[in-house]
Amino acid sequence: DAKTTQPPSMDCAEGRAANLPCNHSTISGNEYVYWYRQIHSQGPQYIIHGLKNNETNEMASLIITEDRKSSTLILPHATLRDTAVYYCIVRGGNAGNNRKLIWGLGTSLAVNP
Amino acid sequence: DTAVSQTPKYLVTQMGNDKSIKCEQNLGHDTMYWYKQDSKKFLKIMFSYNNKELIINETVPNRFSPKSPDKAHLNLHINSLELGDSAVYFCASSTRTGNNEKLFFGSGTQLSVL
Repeated sequence: DAKTTQPPSMDCAEGRAANLPCNHSTISGNEYVYWYRQIHSQGPQYIIHGLKNNETNEMASLIITEDRKSSTLILPHATLRDTAVYYCIVRGGNAGNNRKLIWGLGTSLAVNP
Repeated sequence: DTAVSQTPKYLVTQMGNDKSIKCEQNLGHDTMYWYKQDSKKFLKIMFSYNNKELIINETVPNRFSPKSPDKAHLNLHINSLELGDSAVYFCASSTRTGNNEKLFFGSGTQLSVL
């Protein structure tokens, strides 16, 4: 079973920030939070990951709470092309089976004009 | 320029047939994967190879046999296809930097078994 829970769907207006929440209350100390997205009919695409500090890259920002039990992915200025299913995943840092990513159903984000 | 490419994109076949899906990555990654995405959109890992060696083998029927001739290729052969095998199959590759690992996915092969 996935170790994360996400809302099944969200809407966002084009040009506004999209804030996608994720709960991972059973996360372990060495587990990272990864975010991927899957645009319709394409393979999943890596967005960002973090351990305990907030992270930012050219695609998004990741805010992780101090207790690490939840996080938020922020798309600062959503565009229509950001419409996709967003997956939040926790993954162990060790080799072997901890490397398997367990995917939930994610959040289906619809960016509206 | 495609990083992870898989062929064919669509595969329609009859029950009982044997088919193969090919995957190639030009990223220089050491690890490759096969994932299956069913009609409910769950994405589940099937196999993983690291430098041509099988490292992850989930509970997958013996009819599925991955083959890695070199670390840039991981092909999936399926014998005696069944209706339940209908799904989208994704190939992926990855590299590790310390404890971090990013997956790069192909665009998928939609398999329809009639």
